[in-house]
Amino acid sequence: DIQMTQSPSSLSASVGNTVTITCRASQNIDNYLNWYQLKPGQAPQLLIYAASNLQGGVPARFSGGGSGTDFTLTISGLQPEDFATYYCQQSYSTSHPFGQGTKLEI
Amino acid sequence: EVQLVESGGGLVQPGGSLRLSCAASGFTLSDHYMDWVRQAPGKGLEWVGRTRNKANGYTTEYAASVEGRFTISRDDSKNSLFLQMNSLRTEDTAVYYCTRVVRNILWNWFDPWGQGTLVTVSS
Repeated sequence: DIQMTQSPSSLSASVGNTVTITCRASQNIDNYLNWYQLKPGQAPQLLIYAASNLQGGVPARFSGGGSGTDFTLTISGLQPEDFATYYCQQSYSTSHPFGQGTKLEI
Repeated sequence: EVQLVESGGGLVQPGGSLRLSCAASGFTLSDHYMDWVRQAPGKGLEWVGRTRNKANGYTTEYAASVEGRFTISRDDSKNSLFLQMNSLRTEDTAVYYCTRVVRNILWNWFDPWGQGTLVTVSS
């Protein structure tokens, strides 16, 4: 099974800051990596697919990068609505697709 | 608008059963793989299982933690997805989400997701 490890597990930042979340796969997954945002009481939202492609309607301050085993999600110029939990997901195989999440707090 | 709406959650005793539903709108359900994902209180997202589309024989796949207890089915004529949960355990307590698998050549991702329905397993 492919294991996904996110870091950090939590992150404190301020409005206007730039933050980067890292996701590491236990084996090569090429660019089969997606990122989601989850807020309490809301439906999870797709942000980035295939490692670096911005989903339609998602602000350009979100960007994704990486390939192979190491991936990043960068949020440039944090806005108040960005404080949420972020998950990476590998789509290389169906089992254990998600990282453990990164909670972004003020 | 593409939308998913879950229902059927609630309180159930350990060992009991519950059936969740997911109503799909804005797209043709039979064309798509559909997954269930859950989030236990204070925990991360956990993939539960998948039903493939009509072209792939509606085959299913499950996480080891629910294999043999949970069954995913669908009624494409009613644009509905179901999760039958039997022999429920306290550790099955979670918000359950249905999500569409978008497949694009080699890649796939989950979009959209429903708002989720809460299942609480407790005596």
